[in-house]
Amino acid sequence: AQTVTQSQPEMSVQEAETVTLSCTYDTSESDYYLFWYKQPPSRQMILVIRQEAYKQQNATENRFSVNFQKAAKSFSLKISDSQLGDAAMYFCAYRSNMAGNQFYFGTGTSLTVIP
Amino acid sequence: DGGITQSPKYLFRKEGQNVTLSCEQNLNHDAMYWYRQDPGQGLRLIYYSQIVNDFQKGDIAEGYSVSREKKESFPLTVTSAQKNPTAFYLCASSINVNTGELFFGEGSRLTVL
Repeated sequence: AQTVTQSQPEMSVQEAETVTLSCTYDTSESDYYLFWYKQPPSRQMILVIRQEAYKQQNATENRFSVNFQKAAKSFSLKISDSQLGDAAMYFCAYRSNMAGNQFYFGTGTSLTVIP
Repeated sequence: DGGITQSPKYLFRKEGQNVTLSCEQNLNHDAMYWYRQDPGQGLRLIYYSQIVNDFQKGDIAEGYSVSREKKESFPLTVTSAQKNPTAFYLCASSINVNTGELFFGEGSRLTVL
């Protein structure tokens, strides 16, 4: 089974600053998807950003961007101009493109935003 | 608005009792999933279903059962055989099992007294 590793259980950032959350994964496949999900205190999981492995260009969504390094199997999330509403648990997830695939989640990074 | 509805949001159960968590979606998604979330362990897959009347075990299916009689509904039963059922349960769906991201419900918190 694929594994997804988030090595930072907790991170903090000053409001308006930039923070980067790390994620690495282990796979022998070449075609897959990667995701970052946000889980605020309400506990509903919200998709932040997705990346298809075949695309070399890094995905961006407003203040959120990723640094996708396929060879290194690294998928970090950068949050620019951090806001208080960004405070949440962030999960990195991997999904194979093979039939009958599953999602694999990391253990999460808890992000605190300091006013 | 389209989405996934889970109920109840909070549930208390006595040891030895079965309990069923409801999950309904109106997104017209083929695939549905149940995850368990425990502190420090991320999300673990319990069961998933690709189409009506079909479902597969995930990584931690023991002590759980599901059914998929309608496309919109994927209830999860936590049986008395589940040794440590206190957890947060998340239902999710995706367009189909081969592509797309997961859409999640708001979750159900089960506490065994």
